[in-house]
Amino acid sequence: NAGVTQTPKFQVLKTGQSMTLQCAQDMNHEYMSWYRQDPGMGLRLIHYSVGAGITDQGEVPNGYNVSRSTTEDFPLRLLSAAPSQTSVYFCASSYSEVRYEQYFGPGTRLTVT
Amino acid sequence: AQSVTQPDIHITVSEGASLELRCNYSYGATPYLFWYVQSPGQGLQLLLKYFSGDTLVQGIKGFEAEFKRSQSSFNLRKPSVHWSDAAEYFCAVATGGGADGLTFGKGTHLIIQP
Repeated sequence: NAGVTQTPKFQVLKTGQSMTLQCAQDMNHEYMSWYRQDPGMGLRLIHYSVGAGITDQGEVPNGYNVSRSTTEDFPLRLLSAAPSQTSVYFCASSYSEVRYEQYFGPGTRLTVT
Repeated sequence: AQSVTQPDIHITVSEGASLELRCNYSYGATPYLFWYVQSPGQGLQLLLKYFSGDTLVQGIKGFEAEFKRSQSSFNLRKPSVHWSDAAEYFCAVATGGGADGLTFGKGTHLIIQP
């Protein structure tokens, strides 16, 4: 198993540009989520999904969209990037029965100039 | 809403010495409790978890943690640290039932002195 994979590893955007951070898992996990990590802030939940076709907002959803068309993939979209979205983004997944035993991807470091 | 406090931003420990990282949570009932480790440039790895039962839980890499309900704490311990333990450590809580993920503390950066 590859586990949770994220692409790209690094990305630089200009303010106003859009992009999609990719996340995929091959463990047949129902639950997937996106976090952002900022210095001194720990990780904060952006969006999550309990299964294909179902998504919901976390603690800091503004400026981000998600969709879940398949069990494997959970992309995170930035429609109009802002400098405040400079961060490291982590995707995580787990089985619904043990929802909180989350497996994390390696992260995407995003810089918005 | 639940919250997690890790009072120590940085901790420096000599190699071979014992380690204790502190974690306090705020929640009305007993939450699910976790410790994660993040090595530089890496994702997070689950060290151990507490759901119920025995309050002393064993994890990977020789770590253990003790849940103390009276103190709302879940401190992480290791009897003898190795240089490879240098990393960022995060305590996290989940309150069960809902699907709203984990609430993380701000992390403790562990430095190992030779």
